[in-house]
Amino acid sequence: AQSVSQHNHHVILSEAASLELGCNYSYGGTVNLFWYVQYPGQHLQLLLKYFSGDPLVKGIKGFEAEFIKSKFSFNLRKPSVQWSDTAEYFCAVSQNSGTYKYIFGTGTRLKVLA
Amino acid sequence: GAVVSQHPSWVICKSGTSVKIECRSLDFQATTMFWYRQFPKQSLMLMATSNEGSKATYEQGVEKDKFLINHASLTLSTLTVTSAHPEDSSFYICSAREVWASGLYNEQFFGPGTRLTVL
Repeated sequence: AQSVSQHNHHVILSEAASLELGCNYSYGGTVNLFWYVQYPGQHLQLLLKYFSGDPLVKGIKGFEAEFIKSKFSFNLRKPSVQWSDTAEYFCAVSQNSGTYKYIFGTGTRLKVLA
Repeated sequence: GAVVSQHPSWVICKSGTSVKIECRSLDFQATTMFWYRQFPKQSLMLMATSNEGSKATYEQGVEKDKFLINHASLTLSTLTVTSAHPEDSSFYICSAREVWASGLYNEQFFGPGTRLTVL
């Protein structure tokens, strides 16, 4: 069965620290990859997405992610976090066939200390 | 573009009653809509895939008689929680996939969610 793993469940950082959140998936076919953010009490927002082409994807709010096909990974990065980045981050993977449904990772709860 | 709305944004109901949640694609046509459920501090779990004009496909463990899904048009899908109980309290999120979307560019657009509280 397909699965998406986010190994970091809780991350605490100080402001200005660098961030890297891991996302690994198990699916051998062509995939589309996404990172979403959910601020406390708010709805899901798309941070960035990968369909094809350059494996380094830049998103909103200074986030970027790198698709490494050989490692089945799509890690999220930000060079310098801010207090306002405190939120939950979800990685999602969709297959490019069949139902096209998304599989979400379990999420990583990020807390940035001011 | 690609805006998805949900109504209501929150609802409180008594145990045993039924609640209908609407999901609309406002500026595009959606062949497929998806319904997710999110418990507090947890991830989104896909409940069902809804295709316009046909029966929904439910994920394993989701009771289709409990969660009725209707996708009557290319811009509207509804989720009805029948005979709701406190354990059905959750955040319900829908998403929609555009009609023209190809396999290479498979993106879902998410609604803001509906918070259901069953007393």
